[in-house]
Amino acid sequence: AQKVTQAQTEISVVEKEDVTLDCVYETRDTTYYLFWYKQPPSGELVFLIRRNSFDEQNEISGRYSWNFQKSTSSFNFTITASQVVDSAVYFCALSYNNNDMRFGAGTRLTVKP
Amino acid sequence: GAGVSQTPSNKVTEKGKYVELRCDPISGHTALYWYRQSLGQGPEFLIYFQGTGAADDSGLPNDRFFAVRPEGSVSTLKIQRTERGDSAVYLCASSPGDSGNTIYFGEGSWLTVV
Repeated sequence: AQKVTQAQTEISVVEKEDVTLDCVYETRDTTYYLFWYKQPPSGELVFLIRRNSFDEQNEISGRYSWNFQKSTSSFNFTITASQVVDSAVYFCALSYNNNDMRFGAGTRLTVKP
Repeated sequence: GAGVSQTPSNKVTEKGKYVELRCDPISGHTALYWYRQSLGQGPEFLIYFQGTGAADDSGLPNDRFFAVRPEGSVSTLKIQRTERGDSAVYLCASSPGDSGNTIYFGEGSWLTVV
C-alpha cells in the first residue's frame, strides 16, 4: 500500500524554538518522490520541497531543513528558530507510479509569541 | 492563467441537488488532480488525469461523483444527488505531467450541502 503517516496531529511551540515534524511513508515502488506542503490559515496549499528516492542528501533552505532516511522510510522536516508566521498545517506527500500523489493527515503547528 | 483557478470559490446547495465544480489548470500542465479536504484532514485523493483520460479514478467515493477533462485542459468535477457528507473543500491541482513533478494547487471550492 502507498501511505503517508504524520503521527503528530498538533504541535505547539514558543517562538524561537526549533521544531521537527515527522513523516513516515510506505511504498512498493523503487522510484518515488516525497514532498512537503504548507497550508496557512488562508487555505491554499503551498509547495515547500520535493525529493526523489535516489537522493538521500539532506537539504537546508534558510530556517527549514529536511532529513530523508530510506532505512527508516522517513522524511522529517525541521524548522529552526520558529516564528509566528510558521503557524500552519504542514502536509507530507508521496508521489509514485508516475504521478499518483497521496498526502498525510497533516500536522498543525502553532508558534506562540 | 498564472495559477490553478477554481470556480466557484463557494457553493451552497440543497441535499439532493446536482453540482459542478470547475478547474482551470496552469497553462501547459498535462496532469490534473482533484482532491477533497474535510475539516482537520489531509487532502483525500479523488481522481487524476493525464491529458484527457483519467489515469487513476480509484479515489472517487461512489458513482455520484464523476469528473471530465474533454480537451485536456479545463476539468469539471460533477456530483449528483448531493449529500450533507459531501460538504468539504474540493481542491484541484496540476503539474507538467512528468514523473514526480511538483503539483500546484488552486484555492479550492468550498461546497456546503444543507
